[in-house]
Order: sequence, then structure tokens, then C-alpha cells
Amino acid sequence: EAQVTQNPRYLITVTGKKLTVTCSQNMNHEYMSWYRQDPGLGLRQIYYSMNVEVTDKGDVPEGYKVSRKEKRNFPLILESPSPNQTSLYFCASSGTSGRIYEYEQYFGPGTRLTVT
Amino acid sequence: AQSVTQLGSHVSVSEGALVLLRCNYSSSVPPYLFWYVQYPNQGLQLLLKYTSAATLVKGINGFEAEFKKSETSFHLTKPSAHMSDAAEYFCAVSVSQGGKLIFGQGTELSVKP
Repeated sequence: EAQVTQNPRYLITVTGKKLTVTCSQNMNHEYMSWYRQDPGLGLRQIYYSMNVEVTDKGDVPEGYKVSRKEKRNFPLILESPSPNQTSLYFCASSGTSGRIYEYEQYFGPGTRLTVT
Repeated sequence: AQSVTQLGSHVSVSEGALVLLRCNYSSSVPPYLFWYVQYPNQGLQLLLKYTSAATLVKGINGFEAEFKKSETSFHLTKPSAHMSDAAEYFCAVSVSQGGKLIFGQGTELSVKP
């Protein structure tokens, strides 16, 4: 089954304690993104990656890091989490089917992060 | 710069009534447009997409949307609401391959018996 997986699904942590949210896709997609969802703001892109070792900032990158060492994985790192990073996080991927690029993004189930 | 505006953060309809969720976009280049649905405690599921083919797009669960360039709109409709349609709906625009999706603020749809 084609899917994007995220772990953990729920996380409660304290200010300043480094954490990593993992994301993996099994569709051999080139593109991967991280979004955060906040009430009344919709989803906003944090970082995205066009391929292995190629990443770029989205709209709200402050306080986050990413890496893309393998095509299937795109972890999100919070080096020193703060309460304003409490949010619902989604990983997404998109890519080609044959030679045709599929513009829609496939989303993971989300990670609900609470920073106290 | 691209942007998306969804009119109405909450929409309530009766079961069997027409569903109309409004989305207007701003883009300096031809856009790709999407509607996603989010059920409680779940991720986002693609309802339908416009990628410069037919302007009337049919999606899953009986939803459809019409791309109107002159009005910069991409409203989502369904002729007859069902209780299972209650969810949050997001309109999104993309202008580049693999690039980011820019989302509207979301519209929460309630369906009354």
C-alpha cells in the first residue's frame, strides 16, 4: 500500500529537549515536505526537499531542521523546542508516475506535538 | 506571490442540501488547484485536483469543483450532503512541480440531520 508514515503520532515534551519526528514514504517520490497546522491558519510549509541532499526553507522554517540522506526518509528535527512549536505536523510527498509528474501531495497521518 | 482565501471558516448544511465551499486564489502564473478533506484525527485526503485540463473537475465522494479563471475561483460543491461529509476542507494552490502547496485557512463543514 502506497503511504506516508510518521512517528510518533503523539509527543509531549519539555522546552529545550531535542526531538526528531520521522517521516517515510514508499512511493519513490522525489519531493517531500513538512507542514504545520494551526487553528485558523491552515497548513504552512516548514521545509521541503526536491531530492536527496537537496532541501529548502518553506514559510516558517525558524526553529526547525531537516535532512534528506535517503530518498524515502525526511526527518524533522527540533533542536530546542519551545511552546510556540506546539502544533500538528504533517509530512507529505509527491513525485512522478512513469514520466508524468503528479502534482498532488500525499500526506502522512500527522504528529501532534505539545511542548510545555 | 500566491495565496488562497476560503470564505467562511464554518459552514452548516442540512442533510440532503447542496454543499458549497468557496475558494478564491491569487496567482501570477497558471495554478494547479486542489481540495483536500481532513476527518477528525486524520491526515489530509485529496478530494480532487485541477491541473489545466477540464475546468470542471470531479472528485471522490460525489464532490466536484469548477475552475473559473475570470473569477479566480475554485469552489467545491456537492449536490446532496451526507452526514459523513462532516469534516474540515482545505483549498490549496501550487504553481511549481514539487513545490509547496499554499493552503487556505480551512472550512469546517457541519451536516445537520
